[in-house]
Amino acid sequence: SQQGEEDPQALSIQEGENATMNCSYKTSINNLQWYRQNSGRGLVHLILIRSNEREKHSGRLRVTLDTSKKSSSLLITASRAADTASYFCATVATSGTYKYIFGTGTRLKVLA
Amino acid sequence: DVKVTQSSRYLVKRTGEKVFLECVQDMDHENMFWYRQDPGLGLRLIYFSYDVKMKEKGDIPEGYSVSREKKERFSLILESASTNQTSMYLCASSSPGGNYGYTFGSGTRLTVV
Repeated sequence: SQQGEEDPQALSIQEGENATMNCSYKTSINNLQWYRQNSGRGLVHLILIRSNEREKHSGRLRVTLDTSKKSSSLLITASRAADTASYFCATVATSGTYKYIFGTGTRLKVLA
Repeated sequence: DVKVTQSSRYLVKRTGEKVFLECVQDMDHENMFWYRQDPGLGLRLIYFSYDVKMKEKGDIPEGYSVSREKKERFSLILESASTNQTSMYLCASSSPGGNYGYTFGSGTRLTVV
């Protein structure tokens, strides 16, 4: 079952612009994570935000979490062509399981 | 550099064959997972394991089995491959607690003809 839903499904921007992707989920979570996947490869962990955190930064990445709305956003600032990839959010429920549930992803294309 | 290694990047098998997908991690992680990824469906969990010789079904276990005889190795087995099992298969591992993220392998693109 898919818990996370990313929005938009696809995004195309110019190099240097900011890219914002959103993720909504359904149940209470322990933490939420964002991953990047280059075409035909495995996923790479980008950033984790815990349920008691509201914002987190890592380099050009900024993640926010609103547990009241059950949503998160990933902002990539000053995007580069190398940021072209699919981005997934993943959630870990508070129910005690260690399974991550992934959304269907946002395909980001950064045009040089 | 810590990593998860999947034995094959591309694999082509015939319908009815028994297929083994191997995954090895060098991080001493307790948890290991097998997902399949299909366009429009995202990642779906097939099986996972919290410990050696331990396994639990994920969301789509039908047609698959797994084996974890050693901590570092988690194998996915397609007992009798079918064309609807053509997919990208992703292995991942994590430390206990789910608080540090997954480390994924590079994936195996399996085509069943």
